This record gives sequence, structure tokens and C-alpha cells, in this order.
Amino acid sequence: QLVLTQSPSASASLGASVKLTCTLSSGHSSYPIAWHQQQPEKGPRYLMKLNSDGSHSKGDGIPDRFSGSSSGAERYLTISSLQSEDEADYYCQTWGTGIRVFGGGTKLTVL
Amino acid sequence: EVQLVESGGGLVKPGGSLRLSCAASGFTFSSYSFNWVRQAPGKGLEWVSCISSGGSYIYYADSVKGRFTISRDNAKNSLFLQMNSLRDEDTAVYYCARSGPTDNYFDYWGQGTLITVSS
Repeated sequence: QLVLTQSPSASASLGASVKLTCTLSSGHSSYPIAWHQQQPEKGPRYLMKLNSDGSHSKGDGIPDRFSGSSSGAERYLTISSLQSEDEADYYCQTWGTGIRVFGGGTKLTVL
Repeated sequence: EVQLVESGGGLVKPGGSLRLSCAASGFTFSSYSFNWVRQAPGKGLEWVSCISSGGSYIYYADSVKGRFTISRDNAKNSLFLQMNSLRDEDTAVYYCARSGPTDNYFDYWGQGTLITVSS
């Protein structure tokens, strides 16, 4: 069964970096994912598609502070030089034939 | 500029029906697959349904199968979701989302429309 697992929460200080993790279920370690950001009271915004080899393609207007990487079944989103507007929920998403799956989301707090 | 604008939300009683629309602009609508995604109050994102560019391939989440119907009108650049037999647990903000050009990630989202199912 295709499942994505995310930690419910993370925090980091203004100006620092943070690395969020999304883990693919067993047998699905080669799957690409996408990262989406949802700021408070807003709709989601696509950040990037991230492949198993770590290559990624970002959405329109996504700053260079956002980057992605991969290791085995884990997919990472790194945000550097944290700003207050980065405080948001971050969701990973993947897909298979006839199914689209979201992780539970990580709530990022910028201290 | 890509724009997706949902409409049709509102308050409906359990067992009732509602039809959502998503108006697209700024790109060639008929070239892309589309999705409906929902978010219950205080909860995460849940994929609901998807439809291929020509409408031939359609899939649903188990939670809505048999009750919801996705469709599209490529001539009118519009996506629809017919929701029947609505339940309390269908209460959510419903988003339409475009699938990417090369794969099934969601590269553009609408602002969402709220559906409240309550007696």
C-alpha cells in the first residue's frame, strides 16, 4: 500500500535552516514525490517535484531557499534562511495508477 | 497566468447533492489532467478524484466512490464534481488542482470552495 509518512511538527529559528522528511512506504522507494506548502488560511501551493535520485523541478516563483534531496525511501525538503512567511503546513504527495496520496503534513513553526 | 477558480460550495443537508465547478484559464485546458482534493476543518489534504485530459480515465478515492462523479468540458475550460448522498464527513474545503505536464503531481491549485454538510 502506497503511504507517505511525515512528522506532525517541526520548528526552527528565523534565519536558520530546516529539513523536513517524507518517507515512502516499503516497496515504493523509487517513487517521485511533490512538496506543497499551505500557509495559514490559504490554499496549497506547489513547491517542487522531487525524484528518487534527488533531482527536482520547482514551481513558478519558488525561491532558491527551497531545495529537495532524496535518500532511499526518504524525500527531504530543506528551507534555508527561514523567514516568517515560511511558517506553514508542508505536505508531500505521490501517485500511482489510479491513486494519488498525501502525507499527513508537517506544521513548521518559525521561532 | 494560470488560474483555477472553484465555485458551487455551500450548506447542504445530509443526503443532499451539490455540484462544484472549477473554471480554468491561462493555459490549454484540454492538455491536462485534473483533480479534486479536499481538506476537512483542521485536517490534512485528501485526494478525491482525478480525470485525464480527454476524460477517458477517471479514478476516485474509496471514500467517495459511488457517490461523487467527476467530469469536464474542454470546450468551456471547466472541471466539475457532482456530489450525491452527502454525509457529515464530506464537510471540507474542496480544491481543484491541475496535474503536471509530465507526471501526476499537482502543479497548480485553486483557492478552494467550502462545503458544509449539516442538518
